[in-house]
Amino acid sequence: EAGVTQFPSHSVIEKGQTVTLRCDPISGHDNLYWYRRVMGKEIKFLLHFVKESKQDESGMPNNRFLAERTGGTYSTLKVQPAELEDSGVYFCASSQGTGGYTGELFFGEGSRLTVL
Amino acid sequence: AQSVSQHNHHVILSEAASLELGCNYSYGGTVNLFWYVQYPGQHLQLLLKYFSGDPLVKGIKGFEAEFIKSKFSFNLRKPSVQWSDTAEYFCAVNSGGYQKVTFGTGTKLQVIP
Repeated sequence: EAGVTQFPSHSVIEKGQTVTLRCDPISGHDNLYWYRRVMGKEIKFLLHFVKESKQDESGMPNNRFLAERTGGTYSTLKVQPAELEDSGVYFCASSQGTGGYTGELFFGEGSRLTVL
Repeated sequence: AQSVSQHNHHVILSEAASLELGCNYSYGGTVNLFWYVQYPGQHLQLLLKYFSGDPLVKGIKGFEAEFIKSKFSFNLRKPSVQWSDTAEYFCAVNSGGYQKVTFGTGTKLQVIP
């Protein structure tokens, strides 16, 4: 079974440009999460989809970040325009179930974003 | 709001030494607790979890953790570490049905052969 896949693995852009990160969750997983880790700090929650609906987007930093999950399958996270402080590793995770929490998040390998 | 503190940022041990990584959380209600591990070049993966029942939980590769409710702690232990345990370890908490999982800052463990 394929795991969570993320693309690109590394992106280097200049301040003011746009970047779109993609996440393909494990097939059948309704829950999809985006997290971000800035160097040396905690893995910070950004948002949570249940199927195509945003369950919780309380961690999104500001309106430069836009996440979508059309059709409840893959998700994209767009940063427009990118700022220096957006640099970090963006993790996607998925889990089964829409009711109770299953106990395990399955993570992708992350997309490293460097904003110059 | 829930939060997690990991007090050890970088731990260096020799092989066969015992390991204990501290984790404290702040949340007054029911919690689910986790330890995740990220080996070099790999993705984060679940090491062990606590939902209810026996507060001493065992995970993969000989790791265990003890939930002490009175201390709001969930420390990770291993009696004898191996070089292959070199990785970064993250403690995490989820407050029951609320599905956001909050992570700590991570502890880098380096095991010297």
